[in-house]
Amino acid sequence: QVQLVESGGGVVQPGRSLRLSCAASGFIVSSHAMHWVRQAPGKGLEWVAVIWSDANDQYYAESVKGRFTISRDNSKNTLFLQMNSLRADDTAVYYCARDVVGSTDHWGQGTLVTVSS
Amino acid sequence: DIVMTQSPLSLPVALGQPASISCRSSQSLVHSDGNTYLTWFHQRPGQSPRRLIYRVSNRDSGVPDRFSGSGSGTDFTLKITSVEAEDVGVYYCMQGTGRQHSFGQGTKLEIK
Repeated sequence: QVQLVESGGGVVQPGRSLRLSCAASGFIVSSHAMHWVRQAPGKGLEWVAVIWSDANDQYYAESVKGRFTISRDNSKNTLFLQMNSLRADDTAVYYCARDVVGSTDHWGQGTLVTVSS
Repeated sequence: DIVMTQSPLSLPVALGQPASISCRSSQSLVHSDGNTYLTWFHQRPGQSPRRLIYRVSNRDSGVPDRFSGSGSGTDFTLKITSVEAEDVGVYYCMQGTGRQHSFGQGTKLEIK
């Protein structure tokens, strides 16, 4: 069955970096577009980034463009999110999700990132 | 960027009564491939979102048939024919037509 497990979250100081991982099982990551979505404490869902399966294109929300990079390692069937120059408003639970027929059908349980000095 | 606007943001409903949530987009969600990529999710406290409806009106496997989605262009609706206790939580619409996807603010459904 399809499973997504995020890891790499934690407490980090403003301006520092963090890399999140999303280990996939039950399907091949490179065969699907894959997304990162975040949710600040007590707030709604915010789409963060997508990496497409064919052209390997990536797109980002304006709030993270130039600071975050989405990538994948096909040999490990894993999705990543490299987050640089972190700010307090990046504090959130980060979810990875698989794209099927133009929307996300399976989500991980999320990993919490807290940006604080 | 496509902005998604949901209403209402809070929805108290008595058990057994119908509920309706509106989602409007700042531009048409009809993709160049002819599809409309509008999705509805349900999120319970402490849980990941669960997809209910994709491409406007297609119900996911296991989703009760009391849930239905409709709409076109920029105007979409999620309807619940008879609210049950397990339906509480927050409902989100999301567009996947633009290169940058986006969510509505969320509608919190509670039992009156």
